[in-house]
Amino acid sequence: GENVEQHPSTLSVQEGDSAVIKCTYSDSASNYFPWYKQELGKRPQLIIDIRSNVGEKKDQRIAVTLNKTAKHFSLHITETQPEDSAVYFCAAFVNDYKLSFGAGTTVTVRA
Amino acid sequence: EAGVVQSPRYKIIEKKQPVAFWCNPISGHNTLYWYLQNLGQGPELLIRYENEEAVDDSQLPKDRFSAERLKGVDSTLKIQPAELGDSAVYLCASSSGSGSYEQYFGPGTRLTVT
Repeated sequence: GENVEQHPSTLSVQEGDSAVIKCTYSDSASNYFPWYKQELGKRPQLIIDIRSNVGEKKDQRIAVTLNKTAKHFSLHITETQPEDSAVYFCAAFVNDYKLSFGAGTTVTVRA
Repeated sequence: EAGVVQSPRYKIIEKKQPVAFWCNPISGHNTLYWYLQNLGQGPELLIRYENEEAVDDSQLPKDRFSAERLKGVDSTLKIQPAELGDSAVYLCASSSGSGSYEQYFGPGTRLTVT
């Protein structure tokens, strides 16, 4: 099955700086890579996703890059704000509709 | 558009007792998932439904867990009997299927087994 590793497990950044979270996956057949943001006690929310036929996708302050050859993908948050503080999960999706999640990154934005 | 609805939000039971969780997916979403999320970890798939059919239940501990989606809409996940190690958040998610990969999660049910 798919194995997704996520780093770092915790990340503290100064407000206004950038945050980068990296994930690797094992199954070369994975073709969809979503990122979820989960605030304490709340549901995971889909914030951005990328499909395997695209190398980069951007949505305002959030961007995701994908390197299929190396089997890794990254989330980039620019101009971080206090409301970006949350746990972020990456995931990889294989053709059998199964999402495998990373262990999560706790992001803290210091004001 | 209403999101995925789950109830109850919190449940505290003693070990060996039964418990049930309910999920109502986004209207029109044919695919429904139940996930288990332990503290500090990502969600892990328990079971996936396509309409009323359970198409992937390989991760469901069938000795104590069961699920149903009788009419292809709402779903119930049951644990009987509960064990201390079952304490976790149980998340329901849905997607429209038909080649759509996006999954949308409910708020979850936080289960505490004492």
